[in-house]
Amino acid sequence: NAGVMQNPRHLVRRRGQEARLRCSPMKGHSHVYWYRQLPEEGLKFMVYLQKENIIDESGMPKERFSAEFPKEGPSILRIQQVVRGDSAAYFCASSPPADGNSPLHFGNGTRLTVT
Amino acid sequence: QKEVEQNSGPLSVPEGAIASLNCTYSDRGSQSFFWYRQYSGKSPELIMFIYSNGDKEDGRFTAQLNKASQYVSLLIRDSQPSDSATYLCAIPNAGGTSYGKLTFGQGTILTVHP
Repeated sequence: NAGVMQNPRHLVRRRGQEARLRCSPMKGHSHVYWYRQLPEEGLKFMVYLQKENIIDESGMPKERFSAEFPKEGPSILRIQQVVRGDSAAYFCASSPPADGNSPLHFGNGTRLTVT
Repeated sequence: QKEVEQNSGPLSVPEGAIASLNCTYSDRGSQSFFWYRQYSGKSPELIMFIYSNGDKEDGRFTAQLNKASQYVSLLIRDSQPSDSATYLCAIPNAGGTSYGKLTFGQGTILTVHP
């Protein structure tokens, strides 16, 4: 019973490039949450998606960041024109459909380094 | 005032001792509370959740919740070096009931020395 799968585990990008982070939820889960953990900072909510819908993006930076969760395939967190301040660990979690009350279990994360 | 506050530590305890980790929160409407453990370079791992006043025990871990005083604590009995990690307290955002949107504290670094 595979857990939440994220890839890549490590991603290095130069300033100005695009970063794409992927998250495959647990089998049967249709709710996905993205969190970011900046160095020396706490874990912060970014966005909550269901299949083909963004439910809550209140934690997303206003520019350069976007997220999607298509009908088929993984959820994607996209960061355009990355800057050094985007270097962080990005974690994804999922929960079952119609159940917002399952405690979150996180994937292994993607560690983004911007050089 | 931050919504969830933890003493960042580091908290150092000898092996076999009880480690006590504390968390206070500002939203009186919060109903559920979570403790995550995060090893360096790894993802957060859920270890306990509690929603009723009082104690909840799971193996060597005990979560204690006091809603009147707005604090939740985690006790680790018979601490082991493998317990050395950062412990994160989390509550659902802004009094909401969905567990997906959580507010995390800064985390307490625990070191258990042999």
